[in-house]
Amino acid sequence: KQEVTQIPAALSVPEGENLVLNCSFTDSAIYNLQWFRQDPGKGLTSLLLIQSSQREQTSGRLNASLDKSSGRSTLYIAASQPGDSATYLCAFKAAGNKLTFGGGTRVLVKP
Amino acid sequence: DAGVTQSPTHLIKTRGQHVTLRCSPISGHKSVSWYQQVLGQGPQFIFQYYEKEERGRGNFPDRFSARQFPNYSSELNVNALLLGDSALYLCASSLAERLGGYTFGSGTRLTVV
Repeated sequence: KQEVTQIPAALSVPEGENLVLNCSFTDSAIYNLQWFRQDPGKGLTSLLLIQSSQREQTSGRLNASLDKSSGRSTLYIAASQPGDSATYLCAFKAAGNKLTFGGGTRVLVKP
Repeated sequence: DAGVTQSPTHLIKTRGQHVTLRCSPISGHKSVSWYQQVLGQGPQFIFQYYEKEERGRGNFPDRFSARQFPNYSSELNVNALLLGDSALYLCASSLAERLGGYTFGSGTRLTVV
């Protein structure tokens, strides 16, 4: 069974600190891995997409790494802001044409 | 350019009723997928359609069905609603069947009473 685990489940940091969110997955034969942000009661906003041949992707203050051999991805958010408060979800795509999601990390950035 | 649009945004149904949820993908995207997200959990895969054909099905009962139309929009139908069907239903579109990332809509919040 394909599984995704996100640790920690919740995280609270003061504004300005760097955030490190972890995602581990059991299927090494992934096509790609995607990080999403979800605000309460809303849909998913795509943050970064990493193809299986890539090691990392960057967008502004966000950087995501991918290590297929160890089944891990890490999302780094530099200099956190209160507006970064949300739930962050990782998901991988493998055979079967579906995204398999983790349970998410709920982030609170305190002013 | 419009993103993925879903309708309705919210609805309340009674146990045993039927519901139809609708999704319009991003223009040019031929793949549409449906996910169910129960409060506090990650989304669970229900269906994927590509070029009007079902390409994947998750572990959901036969009460759940879907279809994709020639304009690539899609409907998700749920029959004989149960209280446990209360969830946020998310639609996602992608350009190709296997490669590339997904863009999600804002979802339909279904409450079954």
